Amino acid sequence: AQTVTQSQPEMSVQEAETVTLSCTYDTSESDYYLFWYKQPPSRQMILVIRQEAYKQQNATENRFSVNFQKAAKSFSLKISDSQLGDAAMYFCAYRSPTYKYIFGTGTRLKVLA
Amino acid sequence: GAVVSQHPSWVICKSGTSVKIECRSLDFQATTMFWYRQFPKQSLMLMATSNEGSKATYEQGVEKDKFLINHASLTLSTLTVTSAHPEDSSFYICSEGLAGDGEQFFGPGTRLTVL
Repeated sequence: AQTVTQSQPEMSVQEAETVTLSCTYDTSESDYYLFWYKQPPSRQMILVIRQEAYKQQNATENRFSVNFQKAAKSFSLKISDSQLGDAAMYFCAYRSPTYKYIFGTGTRLKVLA
Repeated sequence: GAVVSQHPSWVICKSGTSVKIECRSLDFQATTMFWYRQFPKQSLMLMATSNEGSKATYEQGVEKDKFLINHASLTLSTLTVTSAHPEDSSFYICSEGLAGDGEQFFGPGTRLTVL
């Protein structure tokens, strides 16, 4: 069975600094998608970034980038130049070839002014 | 991205009553919708996958007779919590999925409180 693990329940970062959130997953599939979602206090889930497993190049979206290590089944999120608005719960998610989504337990990110 | 709405945004009901939550795709015809529940400070747990015109596929441990899902059209899926009990109090979120790039678009969620 596929699993997603986020080992950091909470992280803090100083405004304008860089922080990395960790995520590992387990699957026997070779073709899948990985995502990072942000859930602010409003509870609305917002897509931050996605990665197709068949792509070796790490995805980037402005200040957000990932370090995708397929062999190690690792998918970390780096947030550069952290802003107060980045404070939220961050969920790592896996989508199987059969379209099933599995979410990690989340990491609460605090941004310190 | 696609826009998904949920109604109501919050509901309080008495134990034993049934509650219906609507999930609408406002600008996209979603053949597949997903229903999740999220307990406080916890992750999203997939309850079921709903395909238009067919029966929903429930995850292990989710009672299909208690959580009735209907996906009668490409823009509307409903979740009915039947004979609700306090332990059903939770945050329920729907999403629609796009084939191909795998992205999901989430509704804003519905907070259910059962007294």
